[in-house]
Amino acid sequence: DAKTTQPPSMDCAEGRAANLPCNHSTISGNEYVYWYRQIHSQGPQYIIHGLKNNETNEMASLIITEDRKSSTLILPHATLRDTAVYYCIVRVAGLQTSGSRLTFGEGTQLTVNP
Amino acid sequence: GAGVSQSPSNKVTEKGKDVELRCDPISGHTALYWYRQSLGQGLEFLIYFQGNSAPDKSGLPSDRFSAERTGGSVSTLTIQRTQQEDSAVYLCASSRQGTIYYEQYFGPGTRLTVT
Repeated sequence: DAKTTQPPSMDCAEGRAANLPCNHSTISGNEYVYWYRQIHSQGPQYIIHGLKNNETNEMASLIITEDRKSSTLILPHATLRDTAVYYCIVRVAGLQTSGSRLTFGEGTQLTVNP
Repeated sequence: GAGVSQSPSNKVTEKGKDVELRCDPISGHTALYWYRQSLGQGLEFLIYFQGNSAPDKSGLPSDRFSAERTGGSVSTLTIQRTQQEDSAVYLCASSRQGTIYYEQYFGPGTRLTVT
């Protein structure tokens, strides 16, 4: 799986949009971009994933650049409960007999301030 | 609906003792993963079960670690002769299938402390 680079920390005001960047310059054509987050003392939580088109769900939006070398996770109206470590990972598509284990890097610690 | 549950939530044990950690996955999920997370560290894959296939044990750190999944549902992770370096949060996740197209749902974890 391609390596990802994220800033170690970010701050955001409550109610504002939080834009979390991720670089994945070595991504290949069959690799998806996934985002998970981990709130303190809880298990990781899936947020969203995409291949090349922008995606939106009830939690967030994912914007992937045309060259797919970077992406941005957008939380449109951040709340205090969104304070967490956000992980951007790249995963290869296709059936895998060994499953789809997750490997998290350092992630971005997002702190939403009142 | 019910999510992934794990028990116990916390376990303190003496060095050298055996421990068993339990995971109840989401009903109908055929894939089940065990991970561990040491303080301030990322996820470390331990083992993967998919249906009736042989499990992928490639992440188990030593032969003191073993896991089983009975009836394709509940899983138990066993650590024999625990060591202090085994102290971590042990996380279980399940997904509908074992491909990347299905997100993994995590349990709250079991915090293991070996004294």
